[in-house]
Amino acid sequence: EDQVTQSPEALRLQEGESSSLNCSYTVSGLRGLFWYRQDPGKGPEFLFTLYSAGEEKEKERLKATLTKKESFLHITAPKPEDSATYLCAVQGGDDKIIFGKGTRLHILP
Amino acid sequence: EPEVTQTPSHQVTQMGQEVILRCVPISNHLYFYWYRQILGQKVEFLVSFYNNEISEKSEIFDDQFSVERPDGSNFTLKIRSTKLEDSAMYFCAISGGVQLSYEQYFGPGTRLTVT
Repeated sequence: EDQVTQSPEALRLQEGESSSLNCSYTVSGLRGLFWYRQDPGKGPEFLFTLYSAGEEKEKERLKATLTKKESFLHITAPKPEDSATYLCAVQGGDDKIIFGKGTRLHILP
Repeated sequence: EPEVTQTPSHQVTQMGQEVILRCVPISNHLYFYWYRQILGQKVEFLVSFYNNEISEKSEIFDDQFSVERPDGSNFTLKIRSTKLEDSAMYFCAISGGVQLSYEQYFGPGTRLTVT
């Protein structure tokens, strides 16, 4: 059964304190792994798509990496405005997209 | 980034009633999706729609639900005979735009409250 597990569930960091969020997955025929940011009461906001192991993508203070079993979202020198829930999702060969429960990130000023 | 609007932003309905949630993609895309997110829980896939027909659906998407694209632009989700447990945020998403990419872009959601 396809599955996505994110850890930690919640993370509190001081402003400027770098860290990484983990997304472990099992899926048949990975077509893509996605990272989204979700603010309270809003729809998920697209961040990255990763298609194959070894791929990396960056956007401002965020960098996403992918292996055959997991993905990391690295956040460098975060700011309070980076506080949000970060969602990982995978799309398998059957086209369904499965989301993880997310990591709630809180950056303290 | 493609824009997606959803109406209404909040819908309150009584148990047993039918609701129609609407999604309007601003740009041309090939694939349309509906997801739901019960408060405090993860985003759940409901259905994908391509070329005017359902391409995939989850176990959640039973006979109570239906989708259509009646006028070639709006994409609707109909929920018949609503139940208390249908209360959730419902998100529309689109993909397969100009670059035919897999990225899905989400709308702001409709909050459905069933009383």
